[in-house]
Amino acid sequence: QQQVKQSPQSLIVQKGGISIINCAYENTAFDYFPWYQQFPGKGPALLIAIRPDVSEKKEGRFTISFNKSAKQFSLHIMDSQPGDSATYFCAARTATSNTGKLIFGQGTTLQVKP
Amino acid sequence: NAGVTQTPKFQALKTGQSMTLQCAQDMNHNSMYWYRQDPGMGLRLIYYSASEGTTDKGEVPNGYNVSRLNKREFSLRLESAAPSQTSVYFCASRHLWVEKLFFGSGTQLSVL
Repeated sequence: QQQVKQSPQSLIVQKGGISIINCAYENTAFDYFPWYQQFPGKGPALLIAIRPDVSEKKEGRFTISFNKSAKQFSLHIMDSQPGDSATYFCAARTATSNTGKLIFGQGTTLQVKP
Repeated sequence: NAGVTQTPKFQALKTGQSMTLQCAQDMNHNSMYWYRQDPGMGLRLIYYSASEGTTDKGEVPNGYNVSRLNKREFSLRLESAAPSQTSVYFCASRHLWVEKLFFGSGTQLSVL
């Protein structure tokens, strides 16, 4: 049972282009939505996160757009660079506990071509 | 700054063998987690320890056991390894009131 569905599975973008990765969820109890970035041979690292009381959060070239009514959120990478080539995971956490348990999406492998 | 340290980095096992994956964090974090990563499946939670002295099952606990040895260390044990447990295993930790998870570099496990 995949509670967070992520697409696409893989993405190829030219340098300078916009990369967009989408996630959808069903559980309305989710209250925290982070994105993690993972380089080959490394563990995931927190990139950016949002809570459902805002519709957008921007940090540098990375933006999360959040649509509460549609139960969807997406990661936009502006001016994509070869150094952004990595696997990206969306995730969600329920508000019912402070255990910190995250439910992850399936992951998207991004390749940015020079 | 070591962060979260996992050992070993690579391991090959035969079906039925047992082994323990080790994880230690030096950030004085309360909570620790074990995830497995499989292609097309993302990261799935095996077990977690919200605080020292407690452990709970995650999404995919079957075939695994854990021990929270102390605040720093959280080990994952495979009692009788199966090919379905071939995966990359990640340990993570977090401070009680901070959302951010800190991950180790992973253990690549192959069961033949």
